Amino acid sequence: EVQLVESGGGLVKPGGSLRLSCAASGFTFSDFSLNWLRQASGKGLEWVSSISSSSTYIHYADSVRGRFTISRDNARNSLFLQMSALRAEDTAVYYCAVAVAGNRFDPWGQGTLVTVSS
Amino acid sequence: IVMTQSPATLSVSPGGRATLSCRASQFIHSNLAWYQQKPGQAPRLLIYGASSRATGIPVRFSGSGSGTEFTLTISSLQSEDFAVYYCQQYHNWPPYTFGQGTKLEIK
Repeated sequence: EVQLVESGGGLVKPGGSLRLSCAASGFTFSDFSLNWLRQASGKGLEWVSSISSSSTYIHYADSVRGRFTISRDNARNSLFLQMSALRAEDTAVYYCAVAVAGNRFDPWGQGTLVTVSS
Repeated sequence: IVMTQSPATLSVSPGGRATLSCRASQFIHSNLAWYQQKPGQAPRLLIYGASSRATGIPVRFSGSGSGTEFTLTISSLQSEDFAVYYCQQYHNWPPYTFGQGTKLEIK
């Protein structure tokens, strides 16, 4: 069974840092691009960042560029998101997702909640 | 590319038919996906390539359209179909962009 499990969310003060992880199983992790997306409470979906299968290509949303860093460890079937200089508007559930054929997201993890508040 | 969904909320009776719309601000060919999200759950891929059903998706879900206008149709609505639906374009990225969602509620 294909599975993605996020961890690392929590409460952090504005300006602080947090590192999210996504553990994958059930598929050949190193064959696929991976993404982080987020959803603020009661709001829609926002793509955050993507990383290609071998980490050659990395992209960020304008809203997080320069503050967030995506990385992956294919030997450990893991995806990461290092978040720094966090703002209240970064408060959201963060999902990791596989980008099938580099375009559609399937599957998604269950999400991890990040709350930025003093 | 801005994706606009309509209506924001759609009320339909169980057994009825729901038609959800998604419009792209630019030509996106057929590079469109639809997702279903239930409360407290992650989104689930329903349709990709504008009209191809994802694995395990019932045939009552169908997608159509190309260019800038797209439709998700759910025929014979079941209780488990009442949820929020999002469209997403992948024609020109980054960024991938989503519509704001349509909430399908029981009438």
